[in-house]
Amino acid sequence: EDKVVQSPLSLVVHEGDTVTLNCSYEVTNFRSLLWYKQEKKAPTFLFMLTSSGIEKKSGRLSSILDKKELFSILNITATQTGDSAIYLCSVDSNYQLIWGAGTKLIIKP
Amino acid sequence: KAGVTQTPRYLIKTRGQQVTLSCSPISGHRSVSWYQQTPGQGLQFLFEYFSETQRNKGNFPGRFSGRQFSNSRSEMNVSTLELGDSALYLCASSQEGLAGAETQYFGPGTRLLVL
Repeated sequence: EDKVVQSPLSLVVHEGDTVTLNCSYEVTNFRSLLWYKQEKKAPTFLFMLTSSGIEKKSGRLSSILDKKELFSILNITATQTGDSAIYLCSVDSNYQLIWGAGTKLIIKP
Repeated sequence: KAGVTQTPRYLIKTRGQQVTLSCSPISGHRSVSWYQQTPGQGLQFLFEYFSETQRNKGNFPGRFSGRQFSNSRSEMNVSTLELGDSALYLCASSQEGLAGAETQYFGPGTRLLVL
């Protein structure tokens, strides 16, 4: 059965800290891995990763995929209170998105 | 461009009733996917429609059904509601859908409460 596991499930840090969120997967037909940020309702797209070892970067956020070890990390540096959200990881397997349960990140001022 | 819109935003129903949720995709997007999100389970894929055809389906019972119209708007129907159907229902649109490995744009969701 395809599965995506995110860790930790929740994380509380202080503003300015760096955080690393993990996503591991076991799927039958990997096509891509996607990261989303969900603040109130609608998840918003962050990154899509298809190739191993290539870092995607957007401002203070970055992500990398390891297809050999079947995981991805999402890194956020110099965190701000606006980074507080649920971060979702999903894997496209056989044209279906399999979702992790999410990591709830709380940034304290 | 206007984003994905979903109606209604909130809904309260009782067990045994049925409900229809609506999703209007971003203009030009032909694929609409539906998801159920609950605190314990995360997002669960319900189905995907592309050009009025159901192209992919998740592991949900037959009480959950959907359709897509020629203007790409989609509806999702849940019959014989159960307490466990209480959730946030999200729809997402993209130009070609998962077959094109594209990103999806999510609507704000419909919060359904079954009493």
